Amino acid sequence: DIVMTQSPDSLAVSLGERATINCKSSQSVLSSSNNKNFLAWYQQKPGQPPKLLISWASTRESGVPDRFSGSGSRTDFTLTISSLQAEDVAVYYCQQYYSTLYTFGQGTKLEIK
Amino acid sequence: EVQLVESGGGLVQPGGSLRLSCAASGFTFSNFAMNWVRQAPGKGLEWLSYIRSSGTTIYYADSVRGRFTISRDNAKNSLYLQMNSLRAEDTAVYYCVRESGSGSYSQYWGQGTLVTVSS
Repeated sequence: DIVMTQSPDSLAVSLGERATINCKSSQSVLSSSNNKNFLAWYQQKPGQPPKLLISWASTRESGVPDRFSGSGSRTDFTLTISSLQAEDVAVYYCQQYYSTLYTFGQGTKLEIK
Repeated sequence: EVQLVESGGGLVQPGGSLRLSCAASGFTFSNFAMNWVRQAPGKGLEWLSYIRSSGTTIYYADSVRGRFTISRDNAKNSLYLQMNSLRAEDTAVYYCVRESGSGSYSQYWGQGTLVTVSS
């Protein structure tokens, strides 16, 4: 199975500042057939199901604010929130869908400093 | 509007069985692969099982293989998860998840149903 490891486990950032969450996969999730990284990011707020933010490592889902961006390739990925808003407090998860046994990272809890 | 509504959760004793259902609406159910994902209280997300749109291909996580069975009825727009030999560690909120049509990422999530395994 592909193991997904996020860092840090928790993060406190001031409003308006940049937040960066990292995700590392135990093997490459870059497909040679379409040159895409099979990596998604989700946001989960308390008491709610997860919400898809980004697919293919960097493609923002419709309606997701452009302060959210994804980057990286092969085994190393980053979710960046350029200017933290109060409503961004949540747990963020990465997930690989390269392997038929999809796996999630352990989650990163983002709070306001 | 895509809607996924899970049902069938509840309290069950260790070793018992439960069948979860997911009623889908707002899209052509037979065109999309579906998954079950769970989340233990205060813990992260765990992918459990996948079923192709036609039902012909199925995958399971190691943690549930041999105990859980995923199935679907495209005529009824419904997804199921039969859970046998339940353990305390299966206590979680279970989410029904629809994949995107262009990739295997989880595009839409239900609100979840809570399964509690306890004596």
